[in-house]
Amino acid sequence: AQSVAQPEDQVNVAEGNPLTVKCTYSVSGNPYLFWYVQYPNRGLQFLLKYITGDNLVKGSYGFEAEFNKSQTSFHLKKPSALVSDSALYFCAVFLNRDDKIIFGKGTRLHILP
Amino acid sequence: EAQVTQNPRYLITVTGKKLTVTCSQNMNHEYMSWYRQDPGLGLRQIYYSMNVEVTDKGDVPEGYKVSRKEKRNFPLILESPSPNQTSLYFCASRPTRTGGGKLFFGSGTQLSVL
Repeated sequence: AQSVAQPEDQVNVAEGNPLTVKCTYSVSGNPYLFWYVQYPNRGLQFLLKYITGDNLVKGSYGFEAEFNKSQTSFHLKKPSALVSDSALYFCAVFLNRDDKIIFGKGTRLHILP
Repeated sequence: EAQVTQNPRYLITVTGKKLTVTCSQNMNHEYMSWYRQDPGLGLRQIYYSMNVEVTDKGDVPEGYKVSRKEKRNFPLILESPSPNQTSLYFCASRPTRTGGGKLFFGSGTQLSVL
């Protein structure tokens, strides 16, 4: 079955430290890969996506994500975390041929002051 | 401003009392979808619509109905709500021929069924 895994329910990082939120996927073909962020009492917002090209994708709020085809991973990263980055992060894959989106279960990121 | 608008933001109701959650988008998107978000389960798709008068079941359609009579609107109907439908609901939309699958989300509706 096609799936997206976010192995960590929660990630805690001290402010100013680098952060990584992990995502791996198991799908056929060449999916498009997304990260969305959900702040408290808000809907999901698009952060960044990978379709093709450079494996390092830059997005909103200083976030970037690294695509690794051999490991089927798309980890979200930021060099220096801010308290305001505390939120729920979702990884998603878009299956172009099926026109379908699959979401991971989300990772709650806590940035500690 | 391009947006997806859901109403209401909060709703408390009782078992069996029919309700409708409205969703409207102003981006002329063909595709619209409803999700529910529950702790530990992430986002689960309820129904989706590829265009006007075309709707399909998602992963958890039981107890829900939808309609797509106009391109901009995609209401979610609970004919006889039950407590297990207490959840946070999101409407989303996207174009189908461009955009590469990027979804635009509403702000959510927190539903409590007593």
